[in-house]
Amino acid sequence: AQSVSQHNHHVILSEAASLELGCNYSYGGTVNLFWYVQYPGQHLQLLLKYFSGDPLVKGIKGFEAEFIKSKFSFNLRKPSVQWSDTAEYFCAVNAPFYNTDKLIFGTGTRLQVFP
Amino acid sequence: NAGVTQTPKFQVLKTGQSMTLQCAQDMNHEYMSWYRQDPGMGLRLIHYSVGAGITDQGEVPNGYNVSRSTTEDFPLRLLSAAPSQTSVYFCASSPTGQVTYEQYFGPGTRLTVT
Repeated sequence: AQSVSQHNHHVILSEAASLELGCNYSYGGTVNLFWYVQYPGQHLQLLLKYFSGDPLVKGIKGFEAEFIKSKFSFNLRKPSVQWSDTAEYFCAVNAPFYNTDKLIFGTGTRLQVFP
Repeated sequence: NAGVTQTPKFQVLKTGQSMTLQCAQDMNHEYMSWYRQDPGMGLRLIHYSVGAGITDQGEVPNGYNVSRSTTEDFPLRLLSAAPSQTSVYFCASSPTGQVTYEQYFGPGTRLTVT
């Protein structure tokens, strides 16, 4: 079955550490890829998205993600995390070949950053 | 703009009761959707709509009904609540009839079924 996997369920880092959160999907063909973030007590909001072009995508708050088609991956990175990055991060995939109208989310990664 | 609004914020139901979770958006978005968020399972799509009068099932539609009589509103109905429907429910919208644009999420409704 088609799916979106986030293997890191809970990540704990100190401030200034580097971050990489994994996201893999099992859909073939063209995909549209997203990372959303949910800060404590807040709505989900878009961090960044990839539709086509440069596979290295830059988003808000210093986050970036790299689309590697051969690995079916879209990992999220940040060179130096801050306490304010504490949140839950969700990868999401839209695969038009299967269904243009569905956005499928991964299970999420909870990030805790300590000062 | 108020964005995407959801009511109520919290609700406790007894098994077998029915209720409607309200979702409204004032951005004239064509696409609207409902997700449920459960620990360790992320967000799962319940139902979605690409425009007024058009709805379709997501990943976990059983036990839920939707309708889309206007562009603005997309209510989610639980006809006979079950404890397995205890969850946080999020409504989202985007500006076209497809999902590829940014989804704008509401604040969520926390539902407990006893």
